[in-house]
Amino acid sequence: IAGITQAPTSQILAAGRRMTLRCTQDMRHNAMYWYRQDLGLGLRLIHYSNTAGTTGKGEVPDGYSVSRANTDDFPLTLASAVPSQTSVYFCASAPEHRADEQYFGPGTRLTVT
Amino acid sequence: EDKVVQSPLSLVVHEGDTVTLNCSYEVTNFRSLLWYKQEKKAPTFLFMLTSSGIEKKSGRLSSILDKKELFSILNITATQTGDSAVYLCAVTTSGTYKYIFGTGTRLKVLA
Repeated sequence: IAGITQAPTSQILAAGRRMTLRCTQDMRHNAMYWYRQDLGLGLRLIHYSNTAGTTGKGEVPDGYSVSRANTDDFPLTLASAVPSQTSVYFCASAPEHRADEQYFGPGTRLTVT
Repeated sequence: EDKVVQSPLSLVVHEGDTVTLNCSYEVTNFRSLLWYKQEKKAPTFLFMLTSSGIEKKSGRLSSILDKKELFSILNITATQTGDSAVYLCAVTTSGTYKYIFGTGTRLKVLA
């Protein structure tokens, strides 16, 4: 792995189903982030983690949960998907002491029907 | 309410032209302003600005921040078709952590 990866690339999901979006980085970055990107609204922060073992809520956390068991992985879970969660989801990471300088994964396109 | 506003929304220029993209913000406890370039997929980092009046440069791209007037500009000189993208501005805050993106400026450079 080089950089930051996300899986799946895209997914169609029935409303009410549970889904986990995966994010892995091999840059040993301390900070990791989840965003959703919607047309006309730009990128919005869902959750973040400054370091392994800690997480925080962003601008639009409702309906989403995260965990940070180790440095490399930061999964995002939708416990019961709803159509308004249809979006492109980006994971990002940032190095220690430069937490604002973020490096983004390729994104996951999620459609909830 | 914290907000980041970018202008223009979109721009079409010809190769060789110089463009200036604008980003204004209103936030509490400003920490930094960042510029990103987004082509087909993920945004890629361009600049981070924290101090007024200090220009950051990378090749044909440059950016500067004015913390008194609460705005930043991104200049691209001698544009090329490869500069076609959406340019995103974001502002971060300290205290209650926020990372607020503008909706972007879509730049199209014609050959």
